Amino acid sequence: QVQLVESGGGLVKPGGSLRLSCAASGFTFNDYSMNWIRQAPGKGLEWISYISSAGWTIYYADSVKGRFTISRDNAQNSLFLQMNDLRVDDTAVYYCAKESPRVGDDFEYWGQGTLVTVSS
Amino acid sequence: DVVMTQSPLSLPVTPGEPASISCRSSQSVLHENGYNYLHWYLQKPGQSPQLLIYLASHRASGVPDRFSGSGSGTDFTLKISRVEAEDVGVFYCMQTLQTPPITFGQGTRLEIK
Repeated sequence: QVQLVESGGGLVKPGGSLRLSCAASGFTFNDYSMNWIRQAPGKGLEWISYISSAGWTIYYADSVKGRFTISRDNAQNSLFLQMNDLRVDDTAVYYCAKESPRVGDDFEYWGQGTLVTVSS
Repeated sequence: DVVMTQSPLSLPVTPGEPASISCRSSQSVLHENGYNYLHWYLQKPGQSPQLLIYLASHRASGVPDRFSGSGSGTDFTLKISRVEAEDVGVFYCMQTLQTPPITFGQGTRLEIK
């Protein structure tokens, strides 16, 4: 079955960096676009980045553009999010999500999330 | 950016009673292919969001038939015919047509009376 397992979260100081990973299994990873979504404590969902199946097309939310970089390694079935210049308001649970194969681009599967805390 | 507005934000419901959540988008999410790129998720306490309804009215695999979605263009509704205790959580609508960015509604918290 489809599994998405995020890792790499933790406590970091403002201005610091962190690299999140999402290990995918149970499907042909290189056939699907992937996304990162975050959720600040007690808040709603915020989409932050998209990468196409081969990695050629990438999008970011304005809130992270220029600071975060999404990438993928299809040989290793892994998705990444390099986060630089972290701010206190980047504190959130970060989820990776797989798009469905049908039209509409819904997020068919989500990982369990990894918590990033930015604090001095 | 497309703004998604949900109402109500809080929804207390007696088990066995119906419930309804509205989601309105600031721009149409109707694709030229005839599908509305509007999806519904439920985030149960302590869990990741799970897909309930895709393309406005299609139940995802394994979703009970008490959940239904309707609407087109800018106005959408999620209905639960008979609320059960396991439905507690926060419901979100999401649009994937006018992107980037993909945008979510604020969430509607369903609680059992």
